[in-house]
Amino acid sequence: TQLLEQSPQFLSIQEGENLTVYCNSSSVFSSLQWYRQEPGEGPVLLVTVVTGGEVKKLKRLTFQFGDARKDSSLHITAAQPGDTGLYLCAGAQNYGGSQGNLIFGKGTKLSVKP
Amino acid sequence: DTGVSQDPRHKITKRGQNVTFRCDPISEHNRLYWYRQTLGQGPEFLTYFQNEAQLEKSRLLSDRFSAERPKGSFSTLEIQRTEQGDSAMYLCASSPKGAISDTQYFGPGTRLTVL
Repeated sequence: TQLLEQSPQFLSIQEGENLTVYCNSSSVFSSLQWYRQEPGEGPVLLVTVVTGGEVKKLKRLTFQFGDARKDSSLHITAAQPGDTGLYLCAGAQNYGGSQGNLIFGKGTKLSVKP
Repeated sequence: DTGVSQDPRHKITKRGQNVTFRCDPISEHNRLYWYRQTLGQGPEFLTYFQNEAQLEKSRLLSDRFSAERPKGSFSTLEIQRTEQGDSAMYLCASSPKGAISDTQYFGPGTRLTVL
């Protein structure tokens, strides 16, 4: 069962364009992380969002956690070729205060052409 | 701090052989996780340690897979009698003690190819 749906799966844009990637679920998450992954490498953490409605900015990247903590979005302004990569969202569902596994979406493969 | 490290980065083996991977977490991170990632998919959870205790195992972790973290520091993941379906990227992640969020930091992965 795929608990986290990411869209779009693939995105090819020109340098300077804006884009939004979505991460949706019917489940509630205690927190959600966004990672970027290059081919042959492990995911690199971009941000963690914890509070419903939270918005975090990281330079040209803006992350939002839905009010109900079921969905999230990543918006990139003025994309650059260096933004190319696989963007993964991952949600955590904790029970009884323990810290368990992350549930990942399939990812959005972004290509930014010069 | 150098981050999570994994060894080897690449492993090619023949079907039926045993392989072992090592993960060194970020210093003083008491939580350690193993994931598996196949082409076109996001990482899938395999197992999780808090210190030396293995607290959770996925159904993906068949009886051919075993993981240890004997002293609560580094961890090993062993696959016995490898099958072609075991070909994947094996990722290790760690998380600090007492973290408010569930943030996990990943290593570079071990790419396994079973011929």
